[in-house]
Amino acid sequence: AQSVTQLGSHVSVSEGALVLLRCNYSSSVPPYLFWYVQYPNQGLQLLLKYTSAATLVKGINGFEAEFKKSETSFHLTKPSAHMSDAAEYFCAVSPNTDKLIFGTGTRLQVFP
Amino acid sequence: GAGVSQSPSNKVTEKGKDVELRCDPISGHTALYWYRQSLGQGLEFLIYFQGNSAPDKSGLPSDRFSAERTGGSVSTLTIQRTQQEDSAVYLCASSFGTSGAYNEQFFGPGTRLTVL
Repeated sequence: AQSVTQLGSHVSVSEGALVLLRCNYSSSVPPYLFWYVQYPNQGLQLLLKYTSAATLVKGINGFEAEFKKSETSFHLTKPSAHMSDAAEYFCAVSPNTDKLIFGTGTRLQVFP
Repeated sequence: GAGVSQSPSNKVTEKGKDVELRCDPISGHTALYWYRQSLGQGLEFLIYFQGNSAPDKSGLPSDRFSAERTGGSVSTLTIQRTQQEDSAVYLCASSFGTSGAYNEQFFGPGTRLTVL
């Protein structure tokens, strides 16, 4: 069965610092991989997705993620954190282009 | 255009009561999904509809949970004889649902269910 593991339930960075949120996947077939963001008291919003095209995927708000098959990873990065990036981030995999299987989430805090 | 809407936004009920949660998907979206977000379990898939049929019900946690979709549009998630462990935010999502290609799921704001 496909699954994703997010390392670190909480990540804290200073404003302007690099953001790195880790996600490793388990899949026997090439997966569809996603990062979603959930701002406080709001619904889930798609940040970016990997669907077997380019391995470096650019998303909204300056985020990007790189699919590395050799490491079974899909880590999310942003060069410079902004206060407005504070939110919970979920990595997800889709087995058959339908349902999403989510990781446990990483809460990002950004300090001034 | 309107996004996915869910009602009620909040529901407080007593243990043992039945509850119904409603989801209105984006117009034209054939696929509809229910997920549950709780402190202990994170984000869990519950059920997936393609049109009015549910090809994947694998995430429903017990037979107290059921869902239906009528007219290929609105869906209702029903929880019978609610238990305290059912307390969670229930999220609905919809997508175009074209097979063979990934279609982005758009999420509603959720219904926060509290079982006392």
